[in-house]
Amino acid sequence: SQTIHQWPATLVQPVGSPLSLECTVEGTSNPNLYWYRQAAGRGLQLLFYSVGIGQISSEVPQNLSASRPQDRQFILSSKKLLLSDSGFYLCAWSGQRGRVGYTFGSGTRLTVV
Amino acid sequence: AQSVTQLDSHVSVSEGTPVLLRCNYSSSYSPSLFWYVQHPNKGLQLLLKYTSAATLVKGINGFEAEFKKSETSFHLTKPSAHMSDAAEYFCVVSDREGSTLGRLYFGRGTQLTVWP
Repeated sequence: SQTIHQWPATLVQPVGSPLSLECTVEGTSNPNLYWYRQAAGRGLQLLFYSVGIGQISSEVPQNLSASRPQDRQFILSSKKLLLSDSGFYLCAWSGQRGRVGYTFGSGTRLTVV
Repeated sequence: AQSVTQLDSHVSVSEGTPVLLRCNYSSSYSPSLFWYVQHPNKGLQLLLKYTSAATLVKGINGFEAEFKKSETSFHLTKPSAHMSDAAEYFCVVSDREGSTLGRLYFGRGTQLTVWP
C-alpha cells in the first residue's frame, strides 16, 4: 500500500535561518507531489507542485523553493526564513489522474521566531 | 475556473443530533468533489468523493454527501454527531477533466464543534 512520510512534525526556527522539510512517498511510482501551507484561520494554499523529477511549478511568489531530486522525494526549502513563513505545511501525493483525490502527509508545524 | 464556497466557517451541534456542512462549487467542467477532515495538528483525511457515479456518496464514519448539479451543491451530512467528529472539514473540487495534474481547489474550511 502507498504511504507518505513527512518530517519533522514540529519545528521552531529563528528568523533568517534556513529551512528544509522533507516528504517521501512509498508504494507508488511517478506520483504528482504537492506542498500546501495552511496559515492560522485560513484555508490551504498550494505552494508548489511537481509532475516529475526536477519538474517544479510554483503557484505563488514567495520566500520558499521546492525540489524533487528523486521520483518519490519532495523537499521544501528556504535560505532565510521570515516570520510570515510560520504555518502548517502539508505534503500530498496523487496518481497521475489526480481527480481521484490526494493523500496527505501528517504535516509540519513551523514556527518562525 | 474552479472554486468552492463553504457557507459556514463554524458549525456547532450537540452530540447525537444531525450534522450539515454546506458547500457550493463552481466549475467549468463536470467536477470531481471531495470532503476532507482535519483533526488538530494532523494531516487531511479523505472522507468521501464524488466522481460522476452515484450522486449520493457514502463515506467513512457515517458521513455522506449528495451531489446536486442544479444547485451546484455538495453538502456533507451525518445523522448523529459524535464527539470524535469535532474537527475542521474541507470541501474540495478538482481540476478539469482530462487534466494530468489533477489540481484540487479547497474551500476555506468549516470548524465543527460537538457539544456533549
